[in-house]
Amino acid sequence: QQQVKQSPQSLIVQKGGISIINCAYENTAFDYFPWYQQFPGKGPALLIAIRPDVSEKKEGRFTISFNKSAKQFSLHIMDSQPGDSATYFCAATNSGGYQKVTFGTGTKLQVIP
Amino acid sequence: GAGVSQSPSNKVTEKGKDVELRCDPISGHTALYWYRQSLGQGLEFLIYFQGNSAPDKSGLPSDRFSAERTGGSVSTLTIQRTQQEDSAVYLCASSLPTSGRLTYEQYFGPGTRLTVT
Repeated sequence: QQQVKQSPQSLIVQKGGISIINCAYENTAFDYFPWYQQFPGKGPALLIAIRPDVSEKKEGRFTISFNKSAKQFSLHIMDSQPGDSATYFCAATNSGGYQKVTFGTGTKLQVIP
Repeated sequence: GAGVSQSPSNKVTEKGKDVELRCDPISGHTALYWYRQSLGQGLEFLIYFQGNSAPDKSGLPSDRFSAERTGGSVSTLTIQRTQQEDSAVYLCASSLPTSGRLTYEQYFGPGTRLTVT
């Protein structure tokens, strides 16, 4: 029940295209859903996060869509750029307790010129 | 300001040897986490420290793994009698303590790449 399932495992998108990464969770107690971006040789860094009281959150070219009834959320990267090439992790946690964050398995995104 | 630092950045050890990995969290961050990232895998939670509370060790994969945090700051992850399956990147993260519904960002270090030969 603690799993967060993430797909696809890898993604190749042309520059200017839309990158879409999907995640699904099981634990209905989760109430905070961050996305992390990781470049090679670096630790993950928070990219954007959402709570289930909103269905969408947008920051620049990055948008999280959230479907509470389906227990699914997704990251959309608009106008994808080669600099967006990285591994993306979705995650979920219950902010009622301490933040034991459950991470998805990651999506390796490659944006080709 | 300084971020989370980890040392060493790379460690190659022989099977059966003990290793110690170090994490220096951001000053003022009382919450500290250790994760393991195997090739092509997600982040596997290992252990969590929060202030003076008892750590959550529920993610440690075996009794060969242990961690301590001295003075509420620096943390050391120790792996005894290393096995080849221990080869992975070990990541440390720190954050401010949780407060009610406030959820604070975890700041990750660059990781220690452990290779067991």
